[in-house]
Amino acid sequence: DAMVIQNPRYQVTQFGKPVTLSCSQTLNHNVMYWYQQKSSQAPKLLFHYYDKDFNNEADTPDNFQSRRPNTSFCFLDIRSPGLGDTAMYLCATSGGQVYGYTFGSGTRLTVV
Amino acid sequence: GENVEQHPSTLSVQEGDSAVIKCTYSDSASNYFPWYKQELGKRPQLIIDIRSNVGEKKDQRIAVTLNKTAKHFSLHITETQPEDSAVYFCAARSASKIIFGSGTRLSIRP
Repeated sequence: DAMVIQNPRYQVTQFGKPVTLSCSQTLNHNVMYWYQQKSSQAPKLLFHYYDKDFNNEADTPDNFQSRRPNTSFCFLDIRSPGLGDTAMYLCATSGGQVYGYTFGSGTRLTVV
Repeated sequence: GENVEQHPSTLSVQEGDSAVIKCTYSDSASNYFPWYKQELGKRPQLIIDIRSNVGEKKDQRIAVTLNKTAKHFSLHITETQPEDSAVYFCAARSASKIIFGSGTRLSIRP
């Protein structure tokens, strides 16, 4: 029973064409995160929501936006994808007494 | 903000030998230190973690040590097996964020 679900698993998009990745959770965790992981690199935090409070990392490009309409769902919007945005995008949650993360399976995005 | 440094970037050990990966962190307020194993194309999997009020934790062949004064922590894998081959990331949690080290690619030689 998957607890953090990311859709789609694989996404191919054209250069400059907006794309949205989704994440849902059944854990009722109050914090949700988006990470970008490029090949052979560490996951890099893009932003996170603490409840409804949005927290952007200083070096996250303006091209990346996020929405959290309710506790269960969080979306990553890439307004004008570039070739350099090809990566695995990982959603994670944390909450309650859980210090660590629960990761989703990731969405592998390819920009062509 | 928090900065986590990890080394070595690659590590090759003979099957049955031990492997050690070391990390340092910068934020003295960090209070939680997880280690993740990531296989190719898969999500990071938590393998062990330690909180700042503990100096050492062990789970079968895996152990983690933490030196808060020096701000460094280490992962020890004993009796390595082929299935231990993967990329390992250390991480540190400060406030509500987990920041990852750069990763260590561990290869186990038969």
